[in-house]
Amino acid sequence: EIVMTQSPATLSVSPGERATLSCRASQSVSSNLAWYQQKPGQAPRLLIYGASTRATGIPDRFSGSGSGTEFTLTISSLQSEDFAVYYCQQYDDWPTFGQGTKVESK
Amino acid sequence: QVQLRESGPGLVKPSQTLSLTCAVSGVSISSSDSYWTWIRQSAGKGLEWIGRIYTSGTTNYNPSLKSRVTISIDTSKNHFSLKLSSVTAADTAVYYCSRGPWDWGQGILVTVSS
Repeated sequence: EIVMTQSPATLSVSPGERATLSCRASQSVSSNLAWYQQKPGQAPRLLIYGASTRATGIPDRFSGSGSGTEFTLTISSLQSEDFAVYYCQQYDDWPTFGQGTKVESK
Repeated sequence: QVQLRESGPGLVKPSQTLSLTCAVSGVSISSSDSYWTWIRQSAGKGLEWIGRIYTSGTTNYNPSLKSRVTISIDTSKNHFSLKLSSVTAADTAVYYCSRGPWDWGQGILVTVSS
């Protein structure tokens, strides 16, 4: 099983600030990495796939980077609707998720 | 617009089989070149991929659940299903169905309890 580790567990950010979330894989997953956003009571929503490709309708303030074992999700200027939990998922092998990073208002 | 909706019992007794169905609308499940997935989320284990099925009928399962899971597809009803046998309290979770990574159902809470 490929273990995905996200950091930090919680990120406190003010609106308008930049948020940087990290995800590490226990072995290389190439670029087979997705990011999801989840708000309370809702299903996860796909933001990024292929490590850096935005899904349809996702604002360009969301960007993904990395390959191999180290990945980053950056939200360039946090909006109020961006406060949520973010998960990374690898799909190089059978899919596994990270434990999530909660982005909260500072 | 593609929509998915999970349905099934919200309460299952230990050792019984959990059965859920995902109704798909907005796209024909047989003509889609995507795959159809079940994922669950619990407080203890976070998001856990259960398995997927392709329109061809090919399935892939989480190795840790493989011995207890069956995913099937019914193109005539435009839905796909999940069966998880010999459930325990550890199987209590919100269960989601999805079309690839793109479209997700709202989720259904299934509690395993006597």
